[in-house]
Amino acid sequence: KQEVTQIPAALSVPEGENLVLNCSFTDSAIYNLQWFRQDPGKGLTSLLLIQSSQREQTSGRLNASLDKSSGRSTLYIAASQPGDSATYLCAVSKKTSYDKVIFGPGTSLSVIP
Amino acid sequence: KAGVTQTPRYLIKTRGQQVTLSCSPISGHRSVSWYQQTPGQGLQFLFEYFSETQRNKGNFPGRFSGRQFSNSRSEMNVSTLELGDSALYLCASSNGREGGWGYTFGSGTRLTVV
Repeated sequence: KQEVTQIPAALSVPEGENLVLNCSFTDSAIYNLQWFRQDPGKGLTSLLLIQSSQREQTSGRLNASLDKSSGRSTLYIAASQPGDSATYLCAVSKKTSYDKVIFGPGTSLSVIP
Repeated sequence: KAGVTQTPRYLIKTRGQQVTLSCSPISGHRSVSWYQQTPGQGLQFLFEYFSETQRNKGNFPGRFSGRQFSNSRSEMNVSTLELGDSALYLCASSNGREGGWGYTFGSGTRLTVV
C-alpha cells in the first residue's frame, strides 16, 4: 500500500531564505508526482508535475526533483516571500493514470516578513 | 481557459439530510475525481469518473455516491448526513490519459453538518 509522508510538518522561515520541502513514498513504482499549494480554506493549485521518467522540473523560483529509487522528492523554493506562505502537498500516482492519487499530509510553510 | 468550477461554495445541512455537490471540469477533460479533506484525515480519495463510468473508488460508505454526465460534469451525493461528513470537498479534473494525468482542482465546497 502506497504511503506518502512529508517532512517537516510545519516550517517558519524569514523572508529571503531558500528552503527545501521533502516528500517520501513507500512504493517506488509511481507514474507521476505532483506538487500542490493550498491556501487556507481554498482548493489546490498545481505547482509542478514530474513524470516518472524525469528527474526534475522547474518553474520560476520553484524546483522539484524526483528520485524514484529512494522514494523521495524535494521541492526547493528560492528567495522565499511572504506570499509563499501556504500548505504544500505532494501527491503520487501509481502505475496507470486512473489509479487513485495518494496525497501526503502536507507541510505548512510560513514566511515571516 | 476556464478552470474547474464547483458549486455551491458553502453549504450548511442538518444531520440526516442529503446533499448534492456539482463539479464542472476543464473543457476537454474527461476524468473527474472527488476528494474529502478534513483536518484530521487530510485529503482522502472518494471516487473517480471517466466517460460517465466510475473507474476507481475509495474507502467510503455507500452513503457517498457520484455520477458523471455526457458533458463530463460530475455530481457527488451524500445521503443521511452525519456530523463527521463536515469537510471541504474538492474535485479535480484531468484528461485521464496515461502520461498526462496532471490534476487541476476546483476551489471546493465547504460542507458543514449541524
